Amino acid sequence: GQQVMQIPQYQHVQEGEDFTTYCNSSTTLSNIQWYKQRPGGHPVFLIQLVKSGEVKKQKRLTFQFGEAKKNSSLHITATQTTDVGTYFCAGPGTASKLTFGTGTRLQVTL
Amino acid sequence: DSGVTQTPKHLITATGQRVTLRCSPRSGDLSVYWYQQSLDQGLQFLIQYYNGEERAKGNILERFSAQQFPDLHSELNLSSLELGDSALYFCASSGQGLAGANEQFFGPGTRLTVL
Repeated sequence: GQQVMQIPQYQHVQEGEDFTTYCNSSTTLSNIQWYKQRPGGHPVFLIQLVKSGEVKKQKRLTFQFGEAKKNSSLHITATQTTDVGTYFCAGPGTASKLTFGTGTRLQVTL
Repeated sequence: DSGVTQTPKHLITATGQRVTLRCSPRSGDLSVYWYQQSLDQGLQFLIQYYNGEERAKGNILERFSAQQFPDLHSELNLSSLELGDSALYFCASSGQGLAGANEQFFGPGTRLTVL
């Protein structure tokens, strides 16, 4: 079945440093979504990318969809403590089911 | 607030017991999804319902079952509980029809502890 892997599993940065998480799918995706889950919270939708090579920005967050539509990345510039959480990518499977990636947990310290 | 509600927030029970988790989707959303998240683990898809019918099944154990009612709320039934069933159970809803995926809105989750 479809597998979606993310690296790294965990990253600890100091506030102000940049952070990147990478997402790789075993199959070509029609689109990819990103979610953020704060500690003790629930996943919250961040963005959806649809086109090959698409790049979207949300303030300090930059999302990219690979040319082959099998990988994606999320880059955070100058991290802040509010960025702490686990970031999941997710790709569509059968019906409207989503397959979530393994997640990258980001810890930010002052 | 995502608009998705889940009850109860916390549930503590013993091995061998049966529990029911309840989810109300966002107003107008026809699809409901159930996920299991164990400690420090990712989101394991369990099952999806669309307008009352089962649409997709993931790694859902035979001891688990779900249904979606005419008013679109959904229940996840977990029976013969084992220690390993302790986890966070999330419900999510989306407004997308049968074709293609759309963003999912997650509820706050039910934390199940099996002692």
